[in-house]
Amino acid sequence: GAVVSQHPSRVICKSGTSVKIECRSLDFQATTMFWYRQFPKQSLMLMATSNEGSKATYEQGVEKDKFLINHASLTLSTLTVTSAHPEDSSFYICSARDTRGSGNTIYFGEGSWLTVV
Amino acid sequence: DQQVKQNSPSLSVQEGRISILNCDYTNSMFDYFLWYKKYPAEGPTFLISISSIKDKNEDGRFTVFLNKSAKHLSLHIVPSQPGDSAVYFCAASLMDSNYQLIWGAGTKLIIKP
Repeated sequence: GAVVSQHPSRVICKSGTSVKIECRSLDFQATTMFWYRQFPKQSLMLMATSNEGSKATYEQGVEKDKFLINHASLTLSTLTVTSAHPEDSSFYICSARDTRGSGNTIYFGEGSWLTVV
Repeated sequence: DQQVKQNSPSLSVQEGRISILNCDYTNSMFDYFLWYKKYPAEGPTFLISISSIKDKNEDGRFTVFLNKSAKHLSLHIVPSQPGDSAVYFCAASLMDSNYQLIWGAGTKLIIKP
């Protein structure tokens, strides 16, 4: 079963509004979570690295004031797309790093389709 | 500069045969490699991984081989099944970068019945 859950799976919002996407690690604590965006027919693009209890680290070209990331607990990170515009319509995916045992596998959520109309 | 490369955008294999997906990397400091499978409109699913201290890891039908001197890894799927048709991504990570994943562009695998 899923070890990382993402919600909502699909969301439609009006231009100018904000939308929040949640990412939860279900049976492990994740000090680090990652947020990706996928454009059609392209690989995943890392947007930011979310660290529990501290500010997120954003990749070059990603507006931190537009894509707000909060990692308030060891099992939850949220991505808020503020003042959304149609060009923000995309597939957003989160992942969480499982450090149990000797592993460092990264598991992904199911993804969230955002459509801004 | 692409640090992780999957040079074959697509691969077509007969059902029951072996599928071999290749991945090359340029950064010799990468210490962990992972393969993910992705269907359209879904998040990637973890398949198998390998640490840089090993040269082979096997899990059921999936085997990953790592050749550090050639900076090359491959994923073998035997036997290939129709449900294996998907896009396969190779990813590498660095402990020093908090295990951030560096992705290849993906290879679309098509299993023919």
